[in-house]
Amino acid sequence: DVKVTQSSRYLVKRTGEKVFLECVQDMDHENMFWYRQDPGLGLRLIYFSYDVKMKEKGDIPEGYSVSREKKERFSLILESASTNQTSMYLCASSLTSGRTMGNGQFFGPGTRLTVL
Amino acid sequence: AQRVTQPEKLLSVFKGAPVELKCNYSYSGSPELFWYVQYSRQRLQLLLRHISRESIKGFTADLNKGETSFHLKKPFAQEEDSAMYYCALSYGQNFVFGPGTRLSVLP
Repeated sequence: DVKVTQSSRYLVKRTGEKVFLECVQDMDHENMFWYRQDPGLGLRLIYFSYDVKMKEKGDIPEGYSVSREKKERFSLILESASTNQTSMYLCASSLTSGRTMGNGQFFGPGTRLTVL
Repeated sequence: AQRVTQPEKLLSVFKGAPVELKCNYSYSGSPELFWYVQYSRQRLQLLLRHISRESIKGFTADLNKGETSFHLKKPFAQEEDSAMYYCALSYGQNFVFGPGTRLSVLP
């Protein structure tokens, strides 16, 4: 079974803080993704990565950055957290190339971030 | 921009009744379409994809290119089907999720 883990289930931060969300997958997947999930909006792609040290902007990258120094780890960084970044953050990984879902993506349990 | 719409935010049916979760997409080429499900307090997981034409947990979905739809169906809903369902479209190097439909199966 593919395991995608996220460092925290719940996180509370203050406005202006720098926030790190970590994601690790154990199946040697090339592709990793960060989404935010909001009611009524579905999942929106923030950033994705095809390979180590590679990253591509998704649909809503503003206010976020990412880091992929190792194949199994993909970090999402909120440089200066704001209240509108309060959300559920989902990490996913897949074997397929590019952004196609092909065989599907495997998701982590999510991190619920609250910015006060 | 390519879009996926799921017109119902909430769908409630009684146990044993048929259920259909609607999904429409806007894309003129050959799409890859998927249904994902998220049960309460569980992670999002792939339910089925149109390429494999499979039936998972009694659910099926047929791609109708003429109507640009990929509705999810089950003839007899079960209480354990209560969950959030997302339709997703993949095209070329891109993909997009719909807003989701919450299915509630009543006893």
